[in-house]
Amino acid sequence: NFMLTQPHSVSESPGKTVTISCTGSSGSIASNYVQWFRQRPGSAPTTVIYEDKRRPSGVPDRFSGSIDSSSNSASLTISGLKTEDEADYYCQSYDSGSHVVFGGGTKLTVL
Amino acid sequence: VQLVQSGAEVRKPGASVTVSCKASGYTFTGNLVHWFRQAPGQGLEWMGRMNPNSGVTTYAQKFQGRVTMTRDTSISTAYMSLTKLRSDDTAVYYCARAGAFPFDPWGQGTLVTVSS
Repeated sequence: NFMLTQPHSVSESPGKTVTISCTGSSGSIASNYVQWFRQRPGSAPTTVIYEDKRRPSGVPDRFSGSIDSSSNSASLTISGLKTEDEADYYCQSYDSGSHVVFGGGTKLTVL
Repeated sequence: VQLVQSGAEVRKPGASVTVSCKASGYTFTGNLVHWFRQAPGQGLEWMGRMNPNSGVTTYAQKFQGRVTMTRDTSISTAYMSLTKLRSDDTAVYYCARAGAFPFDPWGQGTLVTVSS
């Protein structure tokens, strides 16, 4: 079964840049689009990156997504960190049967 | 564009539950509806998707045989039913539309508690 692996947690200071990785277990992560979701406590997830690197309207350009085929991984980079960025972040893609797959989530702490 | 879900439910083990998801602000039959769940303190889990136009469904293997996704197009509402509930089915259940990008918007979530 295709799986996506994320670090359990990351932390960084306000104003700095943080990168969250999402590594595919098999095949090529570039074969299907990767999305990134932010989830604040008690709220539903919202999309911050879709189709690997595109931002929905309203998401600041401090958020960027990329794919690295050599490491079979996707990355979410947040620059100019703000305390409001503190949340859980999930990557998402699809398996060979077009079933939705999520990473386990990464808790971002901005301290 | 909005998805509004039904309220919290409490069920005993072995029972069934149905969660509704009412769509507004767009053509209900024009976009797939997906269902997810999130157990307390855990990550997101995909349960399946439904085409509201045709009624065709795809379920995650884990839920095959226990989950049914249906819709009532006359009231722009999708439903997710889960049977043979266990304590580890306690979770917040979400619906979400597959729109210009997956997944947007999400419903507000419905807490289903399974407890004897």
